[in-house]
Amino acid sequence: GAGVSQSPSNKVTEKGKDVELRCDPISGHTALYWYRQSLGQGLEFLIYFQGNSAPDKSGLPSDRFSAERTGGSVSTLTIQRTQQEDSAVYLCASSRAQGATGELFFGEGSRLTVL
Amino acid sequence: AQSVTQLDSHVSVSEGTPVLLRCNYSSSYSPSLFWYVQHPNKGLQLLLKYTSAATLVKGINGFEAEFKKSETSFHLTKPSAHMSDAAEYFCVVSDRGTYKYIFGTGTRLKVLA
Repeated sequence: GAGVSQSPSNKVTEKGKDVELRCDPISGHTALYWYRQSLGQGLEFLIYFQGNSAPDKSGLPSDRFSAERTGGSVSTLTIQRTQQEDSAVYLCASSRAQGATGELFFGEGSRLTVL
Repeated sequence: AQSVTQLDSHVSVSEGTPVLLRCNYSSSYSPSLFWYVQHPNKGLQLLLKYTSAATLVKGINGFEAEFKKSETSFHLTKPSAHMSDAAEYFCVVSDRGTYKYIFGTGTRLKVLA
């Protein structure tokens, strides 16, 4: 596709359930970021993938959060045993740049609501 | 360490009047600076970026920003607001040689008819 695609756009789940959020970056973009946007807050960095290098997972808030990127393309963010404080919009962005000098291209986000 | 402060969480202007959204940054090295816009239920879109070329940067939709190193500022301006400018605006800083972008908490711009 022409842009970054995220699915699902909306997800409502019950506390304690696991959820998977998917990101399909722009073809050829080697860098992929996941951010969390809570109401009234800026974007919180979660994880960064660059090509086949080991990801920077330093922003993941707990061990309930994990992410993978298969074949250097599609990425999945998994949240296990969801809690109400996990409710937020999860944004994925991709970039062709090696470092943080280039434009980030964002998807429209996955809005997660944990009841 | 890098940080960015957006001085106003909300700004209201009348249509046709100037827009000023303020941003101050802290960076140990030569920073790259960006402004992104987010319309409701949409992803973020790049408005403009500064990466050490001209200090006055022109972006899309008539927006521009000036990099002022002495003031550590990167304020976003537009001469005349349009109703379609109503959105959330994020100032972003990154250090050369890193891959991390630091986002401000955002300024919500309201444009009054």
